[in-house]
Amino acid sequence: NAGVMQNPRHLVRRRGQEARLRCSPMKGHSHVYWYRQLPEEGLKFMVYLQKENIIDESGMPKERFSAEFPKEGPSILRIQQVVRGDSAAYFCASSPSRGGNTEAFFGQGTRLTVV
Amino acid sequence: DAKTTQPTSMDCAEGRAANLPCNHSTISGNEYVYWYRQIHSQGPQYIIHGLKNNETNEMASLIITEDRKSSTLILPHATLRDTAVYYCIVTPAGNKLTFGGGTRVLVKP
Repeated sequence: NAGVMQNPRHLVRRRGQEARLRCSPMKGHSHVYWYRQLPEEGLKFMVYLQKENIIDESGMPKERFSAEFPKEGPSILRIQQVVRGDSAAYFCASSPSRGGNTEAFFGQGTRLTVV
Repeated sequence: DAKTTQPTSMDCAEGRAANLPCNHSTISGNEYVYWYRQIHSQGPQYIIHGLKNNETNEMASLIITEDRKSSTLILPHATLRDTAVYYCIVTPAGNKLTFGGGTRVLVKP
């Protein structure tokens, strides 16, 4: 059973371009969480999604950032018109369900560099 | 989610048990204690979690006090590869994880 897969592992974008980060959850997992880690800082929650639904987006910046988790395919974190301050490691995690005795498993992250 | 307090850093000797404390005095009845670690900017790794009973798995043991206001993660035989930042998180099961500063653990030969 493969773990949480994120791609690309490294992404370089010029200022003003779009960045698309993909996350394939573990098999059987229907919940996805996205986190951002700025250099030398802690992990900050961004958004929590279930298939086709956004459950909690309290950590998402109000502009330029969006996330989706379609019925088929990976979850996508999209950053439009990237700026240097978006340079960070973006991690996603997945869990099988909400509630109950469950734990979330993380991918290895996508390192975004904006030049 | 309840707030947790952890030491900023600690050293431990290779081969010895590492005991990592966590205070969570405002924990609610439906909140679990989760432990994760992050090794050198890799993705966080799940270690263990519990509600009120002590738990043990192949990685570690979790000891939760009877009043649930604090807990201790025990790595029974620390190795150099256990050097990492360890996070204690208190949250309802299945809820988002809110990471604090964690404890930076350095295992020394």
